[in-house]
Amino acid sequence: QSALTQPASVSGSPGQSITISCTGTSSDVGNYNLVSWYQQHPGKAPKLMIYEVSKRPSGVSNRFSGSKSGNTASLTISGLQAEDEADYYCCSYAGSSTLVFGGGTKLTVL
Amino acid sequence: EVQLVESGGGLVQPGGSLRLSCAASGFTFSSCAMSWVRQAPGEGLKWVSSISDSGGSTYYADSVKGRFTISRDNSKNTLSLQMNSLRAEDTAIYYCAKPMSNFRPPDYWGRGTLVTVSS
Repeated sequence: QSALTQPASVSGSPGQSITISCTGTSSDVGNYNLVSWYQQHPGKAPKLMIYEVSKRPSGVSNRFSGSKSGNTASLTISGLQAEDEADYYCCSYAGSSTLVFGGGTKLTVL
Repeated sequence: EVQLVESGGGLVQPGGSLRLSCAASGFTFSSCAMSWVRQAPGEGLKWVSSISDSGGSTYYADSVKGRFTISRDNSKNTLSLQMNSLRAEDTAIYYCAKPMSNFRPPDYWGRGTLVTVSS
């Protein structure tokens, strides 16, 4: 049950694109297309942004996209906006009805 | 509209017990597995426990196995987490979360309830 690996922080200027990586193992990210991404603003509950690697829930901007290659999933945010500044977490199904989260990435919009 | 409302958090001494509850509405609770996820102050999210739709199957993170018990009452649309032998490292916001299906990553989260373990 080791946490998925995310960069501690990323930053970008308004209008730019950034990508956050999420590295797991062949037992979680690499074995299931069940990776989700969450946005969390300070003091708030997490909000689902991407599910099943690359699907967007209704209401989530198409500036958010997800992908996966091998044991690493990625979240890309294009056209950065000030309101995108938040913490982002990945989560993967890890088999045997368990979940594993990443350590979180703080996104700063410069 | 899916709503998950946690309650029961508070201050408890090390070694003590606490019972969290989550009131669910806006979906067919009895058809959904459910989960608890926690977040220590300034830290990331960590999966704690999950339970099947019927309550017949339960799963726990190693860090809480043998100390925490997840349960549900489908007649009252309520999820519970009984926490015993609490430790300082259990201090966290505890979120009730609804998986998209089966035991997949959640699509809906409650606002959380804070548990503080301190003497």
